[in-house]
Amino acid sequence: SQQGEEDPQALSIQEGENATMNCSYKTSINNLQWYRQNSGRGLVHLILIRSNEREKHSGRLRVTLDTSKKSSSLLITASRAADTASYFCATDPSNTGKLIFGQGTTLQVKP
Amino acid sequence: KAGVTQTPRYLIKTRGQQVTLSCSPISGHRSVSWYQQTPGQGLQFLFEYFSETQRNKGNFPGRFSGRQFSNSRSEMNVSTLELGDSALYLCASSWSNTGELFFGEGSRLTVL
Repeated sequence: SQQGEEDPQALSIQEGENATMNCSYKTSINNLQWYRQNSGRGLVHLILIRSNEREKHSGRLRVTLDTSKKSSSLLITASRAADTASYFCATDPSNTGKLIFGQGTTLQVKP
Repeated sequence: KAGVTQTPRYLIKTRGQQVTLSCSPISGHRSVSWYQQTPGQGLQFLFEYFSETQRNKGNFPGRFSGRQFSNSRSEMNVSTLELGDSALYLCASSWSNTGELFFGEGSRLTVL
């Protein structure tokens, strides 16, 4: 079963708007990662947030983690058409390198 | 620095055949993981190798196997192909097995 579940499954916004994606997971974690995948391509690592961190920024990306609710959110500010992609959260509950991915959120940014 | 290289990028096989996919990790990375991505099941972990040893394995049948060579390059093999094996197979490398993974572009397998 999937450790992470993402919401919404699909999101369509206009360029310049902010996009927020949410991820929920089931078991305790050491860290949570977010990846981006352009259609049919490989995944690109965006950000890793550790269990003792509540918020992390990287450029236009802001990730929050709430371990009490077992949830994380990814905010992309001032979105661009190039941000159109699928976004996945991933956890490694057993801390063995076996990443468990959510089903992903497909983001479309209209120019 | 060269990224993770996967070959072939696309291939078509028929049921019952076998296939071997190759992955060259980023220089210096000793951990190589494999994932299968399908529209129905999403991204699923296949196995992870570190210094030629399989350290972790996902819930896939024995038809799926892999290995890692002394130069960290890895191969995965699928025997007796089934239609359901059609997928994007992604390889990822890292310094260790926890933390950021660097993915290749994938090998897209179509089984007819």
